[in-house]
Amino acid sequence: DTGVSQDPRHKITKRGQNVTFRCDPISEHNRLYWYRQTLGQGPEFLTYFQNEAQLEKSRLLSDRFSAERPKGSFSTLEIQRTEQGDSAMYLCASSLGTRNTEAFFGQGTRLTVV
Amino acid sequence: DQQVKQNSPSLSVQEGRISILNCDYTNSMFDYFLWYKKYPAEGPTFLISISSIKDKNEDGRFTVFLNKSAKHLSLHIVPSQPGDSAVYFCAASARSSGAGSYQLTFGKGTKLSVIP
Repeated sequence: DTGVSQDPRHKITKRGQNVTFRCDPISEHNRLYWYRQTLGQGPEFLTYFQNEAQLEKSRLLSDRFSAERPKGSFSTLEIQRTEQGDSAMYLCASSLGTRNTEAFFGQGTRLTVV
Repeated sequence: DQQVKQNSPSLSVQEGRISILNCDYTNSMFDYFLWYKKYPAEGPTFLISISSIKDKNEDGRFTVFLNKSAKHLSLHIVPSQPGDSAVYFCAASARSSGAGSYQLTFGKGTKLSVIP
């Protein structure tokens, strides 16, 4: 296993279009996270899955955003009716379900909304 | 309100010298702290962590110090190498509060430049 994998690495879309990103976590990790990072900021938490259950969502996650992890393995993050303010790096991370283990991040998907 | 603050946006250090990166936090519930390193166009890479029951953790050239009373932590890199040039993020998590996501709250990062 080579770590957390995200696809695509880059996405350019027109305002109003829908986009979907995929994340494949490290295989034995039951916790999966989505973060968003904008220029000059640190990553900000969006949502969290334990296995297939989405257990936490940030207030940053508007109703245009939806995330799934259907079989407790890979996850998708969909943004509907994209806006220019959605332009950011979307990061996926995974970790084991024990307290003192770090989260491992993927390389991210860079979204540009034009 | 920023719960994790890295007040120095950038730091330049000569190769071979010590780099000290600082981080302050405001949330008393944070009990696990991590440092991540990030190169451009890549995701953050875990570097080192410390639990609030400790005041120091060391891993090779990297040492993290935690001062709970001051709500302050620092990352020391000795000796600094040009390959250490990257953005360093401090992150914190509240893990003792029961079942939770262990989500990370990040600072804005400090860009370290190690000059050969």
